[in-house]
Amino acid sequence: EVQLVESGGGLVQPGGSLRLSCAVSGFTFSTCEMHWVRQAPGKGLEWVSYSPSSGSSIYYADSVKGRFTISRDNAKNSLYLQMNSLRAEDTAVYYCARNPVVAASGYYFEYWGQGTPVTVSS
Amino acid sequence: QLVLTQSPSASASLGASVKLTCTLSSGHRSYAIAWYQQQPEKGPRYLMKLNSDGTHSKGDGIPDRFSGSSSGAERYLTISSLQSEDEADYYCQTWGTGIWDVVFGGGTKLTVL
Repeated sequence: EVQLVESGGGLVQPGGSLRLSCAVSGFTFSTCEMHWVRQAPGKGLEWVSYSPSSGSSIYYADSVKGRFTISRDNAKNSLYLQMNSLRAEDTAVYYCARNPVVAASGYYFEYWGQGTPVTVSS
Repeated sequence: QLVLTQSPSASASLGASVKLTCTLSSGHRSYAIAWYQQQPEKGPRYLMKLNSDGTHSKGDGIPDRFSGSSSGAERYLTISSLQSEDEADYYCQTWGTGIWDVVFGGGTKLTVL
């Protein structure tokens, strides 16, 4: 069974930092492309960042570029999101999601975690 | 600019069918999309990938009551034999020509009467 479990969310002051983690199981993480997606309270979904299975072709939404860093540890089956210089508008539930494993299928989100909430407030 | 447009709300009766629409912006009618369901207080769930020719591939465990179709720039999600648990927000999403084009529609809130 595919499982993605996020952790690390919480309350942080504006300008602060937070590191989210996503532990996965039930599939071969090292061969899978992964994403972070967020949802502000009462709002829709917003793609945040993409990690290839290997290599350096990492991408970010313009809204987080230069402040957030996605990384992964294939030995630990884990995906991370380092969030720096946090702003009130970063307040959201953050989900990790897996890209489909079929090559060249596209960029969408076949499996999701339950999310971890981040609140940026003084 | 690549934009997906969804009606904010829809409603249908228990046991009936409903067809939700996602419209691709001008110049982008050939793109595939994905549909997601988000029940109240839950994370999103992948329903299907829907191609411009109407072919679609559903996620694990998605019932046959959920189907997709396409016409021009429109992408549809049809839910038949509506059940109470189908009351949820439904989002479409595309990726255009690559990861840099990933975008979600605004979502449709479906009420089952």
